[in-house]
Order: sequence, then structure tokens, then C-alpha cells
Amino acid sequence: DTGVSQDPRHKITKRGQNVTFRCDPISEHNRLYWYRQTLGQGPEFLTYFQNEAQLEKSRLLSDRFSAERPKGSFSTLEIQRTEQGDSAMYLCASSSIVSTDTQYFGPGTRLTVL
Amino acid sequence: GENVEQHPSTLSVQEGDSAVIKCTYSDSASNYFPWYKQELGKGPQLIIDIRSNVGEKKDQRIAVTLNKTAKHFSLHITETQPEDSAVYFCAAAGNFNKFYFGSGTKLNVKP
Repeated sequence: DTGVSQDPRHKITKRGQNVTFRCDPISEHNRLYWYRQTLGQGPEFLTYFQNEAQLEKSRLLSDRFSAERPKGSFSTLEIQRTEQGDSAMYLCASSSIVSTDTQYFGPGTRLTVL
Repeated sequence: GENVEQHPSTLSVQEGDSAVIKCTYSDSASNYFPWYKQELGKGPQLIIDIRSNVGEKKDQRIAVTLNKTAKHFSLHITETQPEDSAVYFCAAAGNFNKFYFGSGTKLNVKP
């Protein structure tokens, strides 16, 4: 069990550029969650997958954000036309079909938009 | 939707003392309440959780209590150590286990 991994760990980009983050959940975890965390705040839910199906999206997920989990394994989160307000830590979590309550978080991707 | 409030925002204790962090929630349908510890630059790490059919749970120096009627739950850390210093988050699970987090408590344990 290698835990949830995220790549990259840090990303600095200029306003208007597109960025993509990757999350690899714990092996055989069928649920995958994306959260966003700004400085001094708790994580906020963005979206959730069960296998490859995206089942829920937060209103925080504007049309510039898109998430995929094509084969029910890793997931990507893309932000198009980044804005300074997108600067945050993007966290991924996964849970298993056996214990759906318990979410294990990855180390996060820190995005800075200049 | 669910609203989770967490207090205090900062807490400073002497090594060996106890620390208590309190959270309230608004949605009576929430039935799962995890606590996470987050160190600087890292993702949240689950330290203990409690489900709504249980009033108290303990794991070594850490305990959590839940009062469903009052809609509040608390984290208790006894015999604090410097390595307990971190930010602690409570959460309440809504639909599909979507977590609603509190705003965090920065715990500082002074040696």
C-alpha cells in the first residue's frame, strides 16, 4: 500500500495558462475525491468519482475546471485559463468499497497563479 | 448544506497537558465524523473517526466524543507531546461521504 500520490507537488503558472494535475489513488480504491484548500481554511469538496463515473460536482467547480477518471484508476484535474483566485492546494483522496467512509488523502498539489 | 464550525482556531498547551478541540455541525443527517491532522506542506492524515451510533471512541492518547442531540463532537488529546503540534481539522460526512471540514485548529505544544 503506497498511499495516495499526486503529481506535481508544486506548480507555478501564469494567469491564463492551463494546468493539469494527476492523482493516483490507493490500489483498488473505487472512490476518488478532489478537494481544494486555501491558506488557513479546511479543504472544500470539488468533485467525486465512483469508478469512472463522476457522480457529483460542487458549485465551486466552474466551467474552467474539468476532472476525469477514464479507467477508474488515476484521475486528472484540469484548470483552463487559470486565475489568481485558483491559487490553492488541490487535494485528492480515495476510499475503498469496503470502508467507504474512510478517506485517505494525498500530499496535495500546491498551485500558484502569478 | 452542512456547516461545520470549529473552535478554537489556535491552541497552545504545555507538553504533558491535555488539549480539547470542539466542532459543531448543522445537518442531522450527517453520520460520520473524522478528525485529521495536517502538518505543514502535507496532506491531511486521519487520526480518529466516530460514527453516529457511537458516543465515544478512544485510541491511546486520542479520544473523540459525539453528542448527536446537540450536534457537536470533540477531540481530546492527553499527555500532549511536541510532535502533536500541527493543524487539526474536524469534518462531517454528508451525501456520498462528501466531507464538510471545519476551519482548523492550530495546536502548539510547548516543550
